[in-house]
Amino acid sequence: GAVVSQHPSWVICKSGTSVKIECRSLDFQATTMFWYRQFPKQSLMLMATSNEGSKATYEQGVEKDKFLINHASLTLSTLTVTSAHPEDSSFYICSARDPGRTDYEQYFGPGTRLTVT
Amino acid sequence: GEDVEQSLFLSVREGDSSVINCTYTDSSSTYLYWYKQEPGAGLQLLTYIFSNMDMKQDQRLTVLLNKKDKHLSLRIADTQTGDSAIYFCAESLGGGGNKLTFGTGTQLKVEL
Repeated sequence: GAVVSQHPSWVICKSGTSVKIECRSLDFQATTMFWYRQFPKQSLMLMATSNEGSKATYEQGVEKDKFLINHASLTLSTLTVTSAHPEDSSFYICSARDPGRTDYEQYFGPGTRLTVT
Repeated sequence: GEDVEQSLFLSVREGDSSVINCTYTDSSSTYLYWYKQEPGAGLQLLTYIFSNMDMKQDQRLTVLLNKKDKHLSLRIADTQTGDSAIYFCAESLGGGGNKLTFGTGTQLKVEL
């Protein structure tokens, strides 16, 4: 149980275009999902917290107009990178919290590698 | 503020024990975690420890927490080649359902 999927697993896009990444909780309803970014050989940095039915909470320094987050249902959150540039190339990982389970764990998706050319 | 530090690299021989260290600055942390990341993959939760515990053992894994020094360690007994990965410690305030702050990651290389 507690499986989180991401789609696509990798994507290459041209500079200036927009890319949407999906995060799904497959066997539970996730009221809260988190989006992280990981640059090569670096740690994960939290970008934003996505709450179902309300606006996402962005971390300091993350442009909310560039990284659009939509948590329209209890099993799906999307991250759209708008007007992507090469510096947005990164590994994007989502995680989800299952409110029906113990409080200590988030469940992570397998990640999406974005390359902007 | 929150700042979590780890050494970058550790190399051990197969069968030896590995010890990965982590220091953190936020004394309000409630849960501390160890995650494993294999190349190109997401994160796998290995184990966690609640802040009122000093030690936790789970099969080959032993976690030690020194709250006074804000030091966390992960010991892997009988390290295997399949243990080669990047290991992240992480802390959260109020449980894993809340924001996680990750350490810088330690690359563990297991040699034959």
